[in-house]
Amino acid sequence: AQSVAQPEDQVNVAEGNPLTVKCTYSVSGNPYLFWYVQYPNRGLQFLLKYITGDNLVKGSYGFEAEFNKSQTSFHLKKPSALVSDSALYFCAVRVSFWNTDKLIFGTGTRLQVFP
Amino acid sequence: DGGITQSPKYLFRKEGQNVTLSCEQNLNHDAMYWYRQDPGQGLRLIYYSQIVNDFQKGDIAEGYSVSREKKESFPLTVTSAQKNPTAFYLCASSTGSLPGELFFGEGSRLTVL
Repeated sequence: AQSVAQPEDQVNVAEGNPLTVKCTYSVSGNPYLFWYVQYPNRGLQFLLKYITGDNLVKGSYGFEAEFNKSQTSFHLKKPSALVSDSALYFCAVRVSFWNTDKLIFGTGTRLQVFP
Repeated sequence: DGGITQSPKYLFRKEGQNVTLSCEQNLNHDAMYWYRQDPGQGLRLIYYSQIVNDFQKGDIAEGYSVSREKKESFPLTVTSAQKNPTAFYLCASSTGSLPGELFFGEGSRLTVL
């Protein structure tokens, strides 16, 4: 089955420290992977995507993600966390086959950055 | 500014009533999607449409209906058959071609009393 997993419900980090939000995936074929961020009572905002090429993808607000094919992972990272980074983060994978074309989302990871 | 507009932002309804959530986009995107968000469950796909006058059921379509008569509009009706309609509903669109990142509206929070 095609799926994406975010193993941590919450990640806590001190401001200024590096952060990692984990994501693993299971798809057939080459994956198209995405990270989104959601602030309270708002829609999701696109952060970055992996299509092909460099395993380190840079995105908005200083975030980056590392694609690892052997570990089927796509972890979100930031070298120095800000309090304003506190939000809900979703990993997603695109699934395309037959007449189906959709994004499957993980359950989300809440990031708390403490001052 | 281009984007996706969802209305209303907040909606309260009595049990047994049908409600329709509006989603309009001016991004000229072919594909549109409706997701439902519940705490701890992430986003679950209700319906999606890749082209005008065509749509497909997602993972949790029961109790919902949609139409796609215009490219820019994809309204969602939450019917009385939906057992647990209270949720945050998100509309999204994409160009329809790969890689296909989604652009989201600000969401509609439906509370059924």
